[in-house]
Amino acid sequence: EIVMTQSPATLSVSPGERATLSCRASQSVGNNLAWYQQKPGQAPRLLIYDASTRATGFPARFSGSGSGTEFTLTISSLQSEDFAVYYCQHYYDWPPYTFGQGTKLEIK
Amino acid sequence: EVQLVQSGAEVKQPGDSLKISCQGSGYNFIDYWIGWVRQRPGKGLEWMGIFYPGDSTIRYSPSFQGHITISADKSTRTAFLQWSGLRASDTAIYYCARLPIIPTTPYFEFWGQGTLVTVSS
Repeated sequence: EIVMTQSPATLSVSPGERATLSCRASQSVGNNLAWYQQKPGQAPRLLIYDASTRATGFPARFSGSGSGTEFTLTISSLQSEDFAVYYCQHYYDWPPYTFGQGTKLEIK
Repeated sequence: EVQLVQSGAEVKQPGDSLKISCQGSGYNFIDYWIGWVRQRPGKGLEWMGIFYPGDSTIRYSPSFQGHITISADKSTRTAFLQWSGLRASDTAIYYCARLPIIPTTPYFEFWGQGTLVTVSS
């Protein structure tokens, strides 16, 4: 089973600044990686797939990069609605398609 | 518009059986894999398994295999997650989610609203 490790666990950033979230896979997953956003009391929402393709409804300030074992989610110029928990998930080869433990993005 | 509507919250005792549901609309139900994700209170997301209504193929996570059963009823466009012997550790929100049509990219594209299952004596 592939283990996904996200860092940091909590990231404190001021509105208007840039946030950089990391996700590492225990073995190569190619570009088979998704990011999800979850706000309190809500279901997760697909944000990025195939490591860098933005899902419908998310603005261009969200971007994903990386391949193999190292991935990054960058949010430029944070808005108040961006503060949430972000999860990465691989979907390489055979299930289970495990999630990372999440990064909580909070207002500094 | 794709929608996944899940059944309501449940309160059960340890050892009880339970079957929760997820009804899909706005797409051809039999053409898309659908899966389940667990989220324990204050914790992260856990991938449980996926089901293909077209031919009833199922893939379970080893962490859940033997404890849960995933199924679907094509006639009512409904997926199910069931237990035959609940434990207190099953207390969680359970989400159903649909995958995209391309089977080689099995991320969760659309999500249900979640079903809270509480297991307590």
